[in-house]
Amino acid sequence: GESVGLHLPTLSVQEGDNSIINCAYSNSASDYFIWYKQESGKGPQFIIDIRSNMDKRQGQRVTVLLNKTVKHLSLQIAATQPGDSAVYFCAESKNRDDKIIFGKGTRLHILP
Amino acid sequence: EPEVTQTPSHQVTQMGQEVILRCVPISNHLYFYWYRQILGQKVEFLVSFYNNEISEKSEIFDDQFSVERPDGSNFTLKIRSTKLEDSAMYFCASSSGTRNTEAFFGQGTRLTVV
Repeated sequence: GESVGLHLPTLSVQEGDNSIINCAYSNSASDYFIWYKQESGKGPQFIIDIRSNMDKRQGQRVTVLLNKTVKHLSLQIAATQPGDSAVYFCAESKNRDDKIIFGKGTRLHILP
Repeated sequence: EPEVTQTPSHQVTQMGQEVILRCVPISNHLYFYWYRQILGQKVEFLVSFYNNEISEKSEIFDDQFSVERPDGSNFTLKIRSTKLEDSAMYFCASSSGTRNTEAFFGQGTRLTVV
C-alpha cells in the first residue's frame, strides 16, 4: 500500500551544524519524492524534489538523497540556521500533477 | 511570486452546519487539490480536480464533501453537515499541469467544529 514515514519525530541540531532528516517509503511505484517545510500556522512549503531515476539532487543549502534499494530518502541542510526551525515532511507522488502522499513529519529544533 | 490564497483563515462552526472553504489557485494552473491536517498529524489528501471534474478522491472525501469551481478563479470545498472530527487545517493546492513545477499550497483554513 501507499505509505511514507519518518524515522524520528524530533531532531535537535546546533546552529551552524548540518542537519540530516531521514524518511522511509514503501511504494516502489512512486516516481517523484518531495521534501516540504511547514512553519507553525502555515501551509507546506516546497523545498526540493527528486525523481526516481536520480539518487542525489542539490539545491541552495539543501541536498536530497534517494536510495531506492532500501527505499530511503533523506534531506540534508547545510549550516542550519534559526529560520530552518520547522516540521519537515517527506512526500511521494506518481508525478508532479498527481496527489501527494505525506509522511508524518520531523520537527527540527535549532539550538543556539 | 504567485501564491494560492485561502479564505477565511479561521472558521468556527456548529456541528451539523454547512461550511464552504474558499481558495484562489494560481491563475494559470490546471490541477487543484484539497488536503487536510488534523492538529499534530500529517497532511492527508482529500481530492484532486482537473478539467472541471474530480480526478481522484480519498476515503476521507465521502458524500458530505463536495468541490466546485464556480468561476474562472475560485475553487471551493463544501462540507455539508460538519462533524467534530472535521476540525482540522484545510489546505488548498494547485499545480501547473505541465509536470514541470511543483504543487503550491495555500496558508490554510483552520476549521473548528464545536
